[in-house]
Amino acid sequence: NAGVTQTPKFQVLKTGQSMTLQCAQDMNHEYMSWYRQDPGMGLRLIHYSVGAGITDQGEVPNGYNVSRSTTEDFPLRLLSAAPSQTSVYFCASSWDYLSSTDTQYFGPGTRLTVL
Amino acid sequence: AQSVTQLGSHVSVSEGALVLLRCNYSSSVPPYLFWYVQYPNQGLQLLLKYTSAATLVKGINGFEAEFKKSETSFHLTKPSAHMSDAAEYFCAVSGGWAGGTSYGKLTFGQGTILTVHP
Repeated sequence: NAGVTQTPKFQVLKTGQSMTLQCAQDMNHEYMSWYRQDPGMGLRLIHYSVGAGITDQGEVPNGYNVSRSTTEDFPLRLLSAAPSQTSVYFCASSWDYLSSTDTQYFGPGTRLTVL
Repeated sequence: AQSVTQLGSHVSVSEGALVLLRCNYSSSVPPYLFWYVQYPNQGLQLLLKYTSAATLVKGINGFEAEFKKSETSFHLTKPSAHMSDAAEYFCAVSGGWAGGTSYGKLTFGQGTILTVHP
């Protein structure tokens, strides 16, 4: 049971490039989400999904795209990278998307630098 | 809308001393509250959570937190700090925000970095 996995661990992009951050979980969780972590700002929700084929925007969705074709995978796409997207990105998952008390499990993060 | 404020971005204690990390929340509905810990270069790990069953919540690694509705607080404590407690700690509330819908989405505080001196 690997839990939540993310690839790559580190990435450097040039402004305007696109890329996909990968996230997978093997716990059969319905709910998956992406956060970005910036110093002094905690974690902010980018996008989330309550099941395969269903996604919605979080607090800071601009410049990012997601899709959920399977229960296991939830990739995050940067359409045209900007220096403001330099951050650490975390993927998280939980079992019950209707529960406000369910524990969310986090991946190890992807550290992204945009030059 | 819900929000979380963590008082003090950095807290420094001596090994063996009391650890107190402060968290205040704002919520228009009964909140569910969480404390997560992040060790260097790792993801977040759940320490404990308040789900209205008991106001004093015990977590892993000797940490506990008390929900005080009158003070809108959920401070994290540990009686005796250990060097291995050095990490960043995040308080979070479950719920939505203006214009959004509420599922299990978390709103995080800014984080508190705990340093433990020998």
